[in-house]
Amino acid sequence: NAGVTQTPKFQVLKTGQSMTLQCAQDMNHNSMYWYRQDPGMGLRLIYYSASEGTTDKGEVPNGYNVSRLNKREFSLRLESAAPSQTSVYFCASTAGETLGTDTQYFGPGTRLTVL
Amino acid sequence: AQSVTQLGSHVSVSEGALVLLRCNYSSSVPPYLFWYVQYPNQGLQLLLKYTSAATLVKGINGFEAEFKKSETSFHLTKPSAHMSDAAEYFCAVSLMDTGRRALTFGSGTRLQVQP
Repeated sequence: NAGVTQTPKFQVLKTGQSMTLQCAQDMNHNSMYWYRQDPGMGLRLIYYSASEGTTDKGEVPNGYNVSRLNKREFSLRLESAAPSQTSVYFCASTAGETLGTDTQYFGPGTRLTVL
Repeated sequence: AQSVTQLGSHVSVSEGALVLLRCNYSSSVPPYLFWYVQYPNQGLQLLLKYTSAATLVKGINGFEAEFKKSETSFHLTKPSAHMSDAAEYFCAVSLMDTGRRALTFGSGTRLQVQP
C-alpha cells in the first residue's frame, strides 16, 4: 500500500514550457486535491475533485488545469509555466467527498522551479 | 478574510520542555479543526482533529489540542519535547463558505528542539 504517490519529485522548467504533474492513490479514496506550498503561506488549494468525473477550482486555480483520469489518478497541468509558479506541489486524497471533513493523506511533493 | 492564524512562524524549545503552538480561527459557526505535521522533504500528515466531539483532542506522538470556543483557539501542546518533534506544524480550519466547505491552512510554525 503506497498511499499517495507523485511524479516527478523535482522539475526545472523554462518560462513558457508546459508540463504535467502526476498523482495516484491506492486507498480507493473518492476525493483528490492539488495544493501549492510557498514559504510563509501554508498550503493553498489549486483544484480538487470530489469524486471521479468532477473537478472544481480552489483558491488559486489560474494558470493550471486538472484531469481526474479515473478514481486513482489526478493530474495537474501547467500549460505555460511562469516564474510565479515556482513552488512545492502536493497532491492529497480523502475517503469522503465533502471537502474539509476527512483526514487528508498527502503525497511527498514535487519541487518545481520555473526559470 | 483570513480564517486561521498561527502565532509565531518559529518556535524554539529545549528537549524535555513544554511545546505550545498557537492557532486561532475566525468563524461564527462551529468549525472542524486539524493539526498537521510536516517533516523535512515530506508531505503533511495528520496529528489530530476536532470535529465537535470532545473539546480536548489527543493525537499521535503525545500531542494534544484543546478547542476553546470562547477564545476561538485550538492550540497544540506536548508536555515534553523530543528531538524528533522538530518539524513544521500547520493548523487547518474547515468552514462553510458560500454553501460549501472550504479547508484553509495556516502559514505554519517551525518547531526547533534544542538538545
